Amino acid sequence: EAGVTQFPSHSVIEKGQTVTLRCDPISGHDNLYWYRRVMGKEIKFLLHFVKESKQDESGMPNNRFLAERTGGTYSTLKVQPAELEDSGVYFCASSQYTGDWFEQYFGPGTRLTVT
Amino acid sequence: AQTVTQSQPEMSVQEAETVTLSCTYDTSESDYYLFWYKQPPSRQMILVIRQEAYKQQNATENRFSVNFQKAAKSFSLKISDSQLGDAAMYFCAYRRSQNYGGSQGNLIFGKGTKLSVKP
Repeated sequence: EAGVTQFPSHSVIEKGQTVTLRCDPISGHDNLYWYRRVMGKEIKFLLHFVKESKQDESGMPNNRFLAERTGGTYSTLKVQPAELEDSGVYFCASSQYTGDWFEQYFGPGTRLTVT
Repeated sequence: AQTVTQSQPEMSVQEAETVTLSCTYDTSESDYYLFWYKQPPSRQMILVIRQEAYKQQNATENRFSVNFQKAAKSFSLKISDSQLGDAAMYFCAYRRSQNYGGSQGNLIFGKGTKLSVKP
């Protein structure tokens, strides 16, 4: 079974440009999460999808970030326009929620560098 | 709000030796889950071990075990018989129980500890 995949693995863009990150969860996983790690800091939660609906987007930093999950399958995270402080590693995770215990499976991350 | 603290940015261990990574957390809730994740260089994070707060018994997974001290809010990871493949970033994480509502599942992470294993 394929794991969580993310594309691209690395993106370098200039300040003011737009970047779109993609995440493909494990097939059948209704829950999809986005996290971000800024260099030297904690991994921070951004948002949580259940199928195509946003369950919780309390961690989204501002309205320059837009996440979508078309048809409850893959998800995209668009940053427009990018700022220097957006640099970091963006992780995606998915899970098949069952009861109070479930495991999140993480993708390899997308390293975003804004210059 | 819950927080997770890993006070050791880097640790080093000799192959075959034992190392303990520290993690403390802050919460006012009595029911929650704790995790240790491992991220090898350029690879994805994988779950190493988990602990349910309502369980007094410390979790063990082969060479990995935890020392869960609920009253002290401490959750350390012990790696026995360290191997070269254990070299990685280790993240401690907290998740709220669904009994407390809120988002179903977002993890709260510490800053991580980079573990090096010397041959």
